[in-house]
Amino acid sequence: EIVLTQSPATLSLSPGERATLSCGASQSIRSSYLAWYQQKPGLAPRLLIYDASSRATGIPDRFSGSGSGTDFTLTISRLEPEDFAVYYCQQYGNSPPTTFGGGTKVEIK
Amino acid sequence: QVQLQESGPGLVKPSETLSLTCTVSGGSISGSYWSWIRQPPGKGLEWIGYIYYSGNTAYNPSLKSRVTISVDTSKNQYSLRLSSVTAADTAVYYCARGGWSFDFWGRGTLVTVSS
Repeated sequence: EIVLTQSPATLSLSPGERATLSCGASQSIRSSYLAWYQQKPGLAPRLLIYDASSRATGIPDRFSGSGSGTDFTLTISRLEPEDFAVYYCQQYGNSPPTTFGGGTKVEIK
Repeated sequence: QVQLQESGPGLVKPSETLSLTCTVSGGSISGSYWSWIRQPPGKGLEWIGYIYYSGNTAYNPSLKSRVTISVDTSKNQYSLRLSSVTAADTAVYYCARGGWSFDFWGRGTLVTVSS
């Protein structure tokens, strides 16, 4: 089973700033099969990025994903007020089981 | 737009079986994979398993001995059964479309295991 480690655990930023979230895998993820989700309190996760860099339907272009192998990044180019949330990465290249990272909380500074 | 809705008891006694159903609307359950994912209060996400509309399944090895996922295409529903539950199974249970990445999710339902 692949273990995903997300860093930092918490990111304190102001609206308009750039956010860079990292996701590291315990072994190489086949075909960059990695996704990113956003979760707000009390709500289900929302798919942002799949296959490491493809934006899901309706996701603004300020969200971008990159990486391969064991190191992946989610970048939010300019934080909007609605972007403050918890973000999870998920690998599905070496599944089942698919696994999730522990999450990064992006909070208002 | 595909919508998913979980339903089932919110309280289950220890050692009993947790049973949930996911009703899919706005699209057919056929042709897709469908998963169950859970999230203990204040914690991260754990994939439980998936089912293809034809009935093929895959489960998380950590839960495999206790999990059964089934599908009823005539009702556009699929279901989760988790046996011999303990307090560690207390979580929000989500149903979601997909077997790998998950593009549509239900709102989730909190299931508490307690006597």
